[in-house]
Amino acid sequence: QVQLVQSGAEVKKPGSSLQVSCKASGGTFSSSVISWVRRAPGQRFEWMGGIIPMHGTVNYAQNLRDRVTITTDESTGTAYMELNNLTSEDTAVYYCARGGRTTLTQTAFDVWGQGTLVSVSS
Amino acid sequence: DIQLTQSPSTLSASVGDRVTITCRAHLSIPNWLAWYQQKPGKAPRLLIYGASTLESGVPSRFSGSGSGREFTLTINSLQPDDFATYYCQEYFTYSNSFGQGTKLEIK
Repeated sequence: QVQLVQSGAEVKKPGSSLQVSCKASGGTFSSSVISWVRRAPGQRFEWMGGIIPMHGTVNYAQNLRDRVTITTDESTGTAYMELNNLTSEDTAVYYCARGGRTTLTQTAFDVWGQGTLVSVSS
Repeated sequence: DIQLTQSPSTLSASVGDRVTITCRAHLSIPNWLAWYQQKPGKAPRLLIYGASTLESGVPSRFSGSGSGREFTLTINSLQPDDFATYYCQEYFTYSNSFGQGTKLEIK
């Protein structure tokens, strides 16, 4: 069974960039879609984007496409999410998860990483 | 974006009770709906996908129904471990939208 393990908590300054990693173990990685979902305090879960490593296909949420980049390193089974030009509104718990609706996939999020707490503050 | 509205927002119940949570979409999403359980400090756990298919390993007291715009999650014979927050989520559109959540509390 695939497990997803994320990098640790981060504290960032406004205007800086963030990178969170998500390492898969115990199962297939390349043919799955890996999505990034975040939950800001008092807000709903928000899908940020998803990537299918085997195809290199990436889909982004419309409101974040100018600031977010999702990549993978198939040799290590790791997905990365980079978010630029951070503001306090980016303070959230960030999750990677297997699944989501993309141009090539349509599945629920069946495996989740443990979450990474990101705080953006001056 | 698909707007998902869950009701109620908070639900108080006792061990052994049967409870139902509703999720309404403002547009039809056929059966592309999932239900998740989340406990404090933990990631969500998939319970139901395809509106009514039980995820492997999930107890059979959980069930889902509905299609189109209205969906329900039912938990029969509540157990102490079931007190958590529940979310619906659509994977019909590229928004992958979530409901606002229903907190299930012990009465």
